[in-house]
Amino acid sequence: DAGVIQSPRHEVTEMGQEVTLRCKPISGHNSLFWYRQTMMRGLELLIYFNNNVPIDDSGMPEDRFSAKMPNASFSTLKIQPSEPRDSAVYFCASSSPQAATNEKLFFGSGTQLSVL
Amino acid sequence: EDQVTQSPEALRLQEGESSSLNCSYTVSGLRGLFWYRQDPGKGPEFLFTLYSAGEEKEKERLKATLTKKESFLHITAPKPEDSATYLCAAQRGYQKVTFGTGTKLQVIP
Repeated sequence: DAGVIQSPRHEVTEMGQEVTLRCKPISGHNSLFWYRQTMMRGLELLIYFNNNVPIDDSGMPEDRFSAKMPNASFSTLKIQPSEPRDSAVYFCASSSPQAATNEKLFFGSGTQLSVL
Repeated sequence: EDQVTQSPEALRLQEGESSSLNCSYTVSGLRGLFWYRQDPGKGPEFLFTLYSAGEEKEKERLKATLTKKESFLHITAPKPEDSATYLCAAQRGYQKVTFGTGTKLQVIP
């Protein structure tokens, strides 16, 4: 199993540009989570999907952030326009139907985003 | 608001020197307390889930315990390969998990 796959690994962009992060969850997993990690705030949940449907987006910072899951094997997190304070590592995680909600998350390797 | 606080922020141990990491949580109706390990440049990797006070789980040199207010990750005779950041997380009901900021462990040969 290839695990959760995220792309790109690193993204450097200028303030005001659109950024799209991509995630492929583990096959057969029906829950997908987007997290953001910073030194100051640690891991913060942005949004999670269950069976491709957004369940809780209360962690999305503001309208500049949006996430989609068009099918069970792909999700995107978009920031438009990007700002320097969005610089962080963004993780995607998935979990299986056999696990209870949020239990035993499998994380990708993350996308390191730098907004200049 | 749910809170998870980990201490210390960083810990440096000699190989073989046992110690404990602390995770204090303020979560009403705790459903589960999780421990993850994170290596540099990688995503967190699941270690344990604890559900009720008094529960203990072990994996190699690691043992996690849970009380009504805290969880401890005990590391017995650590090796350099145990060096990583250890993250604690708490879940209230079936709602989202709240993570701590982690303890960065360095084990020196």
